[in-house]
Amino acid sequence: QQQVKQSPQSLIVQKGGISIINCAYENTAFDYFPWYQQFPGKGPALLIAIRPDVSEKKEGRFTISFNKSAKQFSLHIMDSQPGDSATYFCAASTDYSTGNQFYFGTGTSLTVIP
Amino acid sequence: SQTIHQWPATLVQPVGSPLSLECTVEGTSNPNLYWYRQAAGRGLQLLFYSVGIGQISSEVPQNLSASRPQDRQFILSSKKLLLSDSGFYLCAWSVWDRVNEQFFGPGTRLTVL
Repeated sequence: QQQVKQSPQSLIVQKGGISIINCAYENTAFDYFPWYQQFPGKGPALLIAIRPDVSEKKEGRFTISFNKSAKQFSLHIMDSQPGDSATYFCAASTDYSTGNQFYFGTGTSLTVIP
Repeated sequence: SQTIHQWPATLVQPVGSPLSLECTVEGTSNPNLYWYRQAAGRGLQLLFYSVGIGQISSEVPQNLSASRPQDRQFILSSKKLLLSDSGFYLCAWSVWDRVNEQFFGPGTRLTVL
């Protein structure tokens, strides 16, 4: 059972546009929602994370929007650049998770066209 | 600052051969350690995690095993590789009491022929 569902699987955006990646979860006990960025041949790197006590978190061009009632959260990349082309993973866990309770989405391959 | 190392970076092995991938973490003590596999175009599958020396939990039945001989060393092994073992193997660590902040190593690309 996929604990975190991510969409779309792939995304192509023009330079300067907005990239939006969505994730949904079922377990209301989740209270930590990170996004990871992975370049080809590299390990994922933590990009930005949010807790459900806020509806939005912004770091530079990257924003997480969180909708607790809908059990959804999304990553917005403003002014998308070719250097943002990578695979993005959402994830979810709880503060009391053991090692096997950290759940990843299936990833979104983002391509930003110059 | 903390760093995580994995080696080798790439590996090509014949079917039936043994495997040993190594992961080490620097700059922290008593980390939680994880092995993930990422198949091409797929998400991350947790294979093993460890909360301490000699303590290994396995998530999926498979042809692989893990060991933690030292606090900051995590090893992924196989006695006989299968074609289906091909993939990108990632080691990750977290602070022992903060499982939800995981930091990944650079990965090992394994191709089994």
